[in-house]
Amino acid sequence: AQRVTQPEKLLSVFKGAPVELKCNYSYSGSPELFWYVQYSRQRLQLLLRHISRESIKGFTADLNKGETSFHLKKPFAQEEDSAMYYCALTGTASKLTFGTGTRLQVTL
Amino acid sequence: DAGVIQSPRHEVTEMGQEVTLRCKPISGHDYLFWYRQTMMRGLELLIYFNNNVPIDDSGMPEDRFSAKMPNASFSTLKIQPSEPRDSAVYFCASSPNNEQFFGPGTRLTVL
Repeated sequence: AQRVTQPEKLLSVFKGAPVELKCNYSYSGSPELFWYVQYSRQRLQLLLRHISRESIKGFTADLNKGETSFHLKKPFAQEEDSAMYYCALTGTASKLTFGTGTRLQVTL
Repeated sequence: DAGVIQSPRHEVTEMGQEVTLRCKPISGHDYLFWYRQTMMRGLELLIYFNNNVPIDDSGMPEDRFSAKMPNASFSTLKIQPSEPRDSAVYFCASSPNNEQFFGPGTRLTVL
């Protein structure tokens, strides 16, 4: 069975501080991992995917198969980063399994 | 392309009433997904279709929920009869591959 765990419901950081949103997964095969973001009053949208290995809006995420983790990181948080972040996994047939989400709150 | 379109955006109904949520996927996307989002349980996959055929409906909570996709450009999620615990935001998403594109959601309130 596929499972995604996001242990923090809320993460509050100061502007300019580093951010790390945790995500752990369980899957027996080779999964594809994603981070989706939902800004206030906007639809859920893809932030990044592990196969792209790119940085989007300053965020990066590295797939660690040994620790089965896909943590999302940003060195310096900005106010506009405040949003709900979902880690997701897909194994086959495009079916995504989402974590329960972490609300990132960036304060001045 | 306007993206995935959902209607209505908000629905308030009374317990026992039938509710129908609608979705128009992005043209050319072979997959369509219905999700439910609540504070307690986050995003849950209810059902998904591939080429208009239901593939996995194991997430549908009970028989009161049903979904159809009569053609490639339209899908419905129906709740009959509705109950207060069905109150949530319901998202539709479509996908050409592994990336899913989400609609704005329908906020359902059952009184």
